[in-house]
Amino acid sequence: DAGVIQSPRHEVTEMGQEVTLRCKPISGHDYLFWYRQTMMRGLELLIYFNNNVPIDDSGMPEDRFSAKMPNASFSTLKIQPSEPRDSAVYFCASTNRVRGNTIYFGEGSWLTVV
Amino acid sequence: TQLLEQSPQFLSIQEGENLTVYCNSSSVFSSLQWYRQEPGEGPVLLVTVVTGGEVKKLKRLTFQFGDARKDSSLHITAAQPGDTGLYLCAGAHGNGNKLVFGAGTILRVKS
Repeated sequence: DAGVIQSPRHEVTEMGQEVTLRCKPISGHDYLFWYRQTMMRGLELLIYFNNNVPIDDSGMPEDRFSAKMPNASFSTLKIQPSEPRDSAVYFCASTNRVRGNTIYFGEGSWLTVV
Repeated sequence: TQLLEQSPQFLSIQEGENLTVYCNSSSVFSSLQWYRQEPGEGPVLLVTVVTGGEVKKLKRLTFQFGDARKDSSLHITAAQPGDTGLYLCAGAHGNGNKLVFGAGTILRVKS
């Protein structure tokens, strides 16, 4: 089975540019999570969805960050405008609570804002 | 914010040695998970502990949840180079959707 698929794997962009990170969760999973990992702050939950509906976005750092899940197989995390302090690895993860509590993480999108 | 403190931050040992990683908090968690993360990859779940005092074994790895459900430990017996990686503990409240992660322990096992 395919795991959580994220794109791009690596992105380098200039400050002020818009960045869009994409995620395809595991088929049949009804929860999708966006995390951010940095050396300073570790792994932080940004937002999570249940059945495509945003449930808790309290971890989204600023209005520059937005996330959408238009259907069960696709989600985006957008940063506009990007800043150097947004540089991090962004992980998407998914799970199916009925089948168990294992959260499966993607391989991450490594973002560098210069 | 409920903090989870992991110790040690770094651990470099020889193959065959034993080690223990600790995860401590002042908060009570409904469950606690341990993950292992390798460079360039996402964290992979190793175990979930739910009951205070629970002990789970996964081959050479032994996980324990504190009686008060505030702390946990991971013990590795006879470490191997393949155990090298970042070990993360994560605490959950309620249904587990909002995980709080520790900063992680970087383990290096030298052959």
